[in-house]
Amino acid sequence: NAGVTQTPKFQVLKTGQSMTLQCAQDMNHEYMSWYRQDPGMGLRLIHYSVGAGITDQGEVPNGYNVSRSTTEDFPLRLLSAAPSQTSVYFCASSYGGAPNEQFFGPGTRLTVL
Amino acid sequence: GNSVTQMEGPVTLSEEAFLTINCTYTATGYPSLFWYVQYPGEGLQLLLKATKADDKGSNKGFEATYRKETTSFHLEKGSVQVSDSAVYFCALSMDSNYQLIWGAGTKLIIKP
Repeated sequence: NAGVTQTPKFQVLKTGQSMTLQCAQDMNHEYMSWYRQDPGMGLRLIHYSVGAGITDQGEVPNGYNVSRSTTEDFPLRLLSAAPSQTSVYFCASSYGGAPNEQFFGPGTRLTVL
Repeated sequence: GNSVTQMEGPVTLSEEAFLTINCTYTATGYPSLFWYVQYPGEGLQLLLKATKADDKGSNKGFEATYRKETTSFHLEKGSVQVSDSAVYFCALSMDSNYQLIWGAGTKLIIKP
């Protein structure tokens, strides 16, 4: 099992550019989520999905889109990058039952200039 | 609403010292409780968990007991090592909800 994988590991964008952060899991987990981690602010939930075809907003969804066409993949799209989106992004998955133990990917460090 | 409060860091200790990182929670109902650890440059990984009152989670010498009467889940280790330096996150989840509620994280620095 590869677990949760994320690509790329590092990315530098210019303001206004768009890009997609990839996330995949091979554990057949129903639940997937995207977080951003900023210094001193812990983890903030961006979007989540409880299954293929179902997504919902988290705490800080503005400027991001997601889709879930398959159980395995949950890409995060930045529509028009802004410096405020400079952060480390983590994808996580869980099987959806209780207790909700989440498995994390290694993260993508994004810098927007 | 549901919430998790952790002690602020950084916490700086000498090697072999006793560690306590405090975590308290507010929840309507009976949550499951977790401690995650994030080593430098890595993602989060589950350290231990407890699913009901009086349960004790343990792993890698760390322990935490689910105390319903004090709504706490404090992380302890008897003798820390330099390799324990990391950020520790306390979190809770409710059976009815897939989401985790996170504490702000506590940075632990262990000096040789």
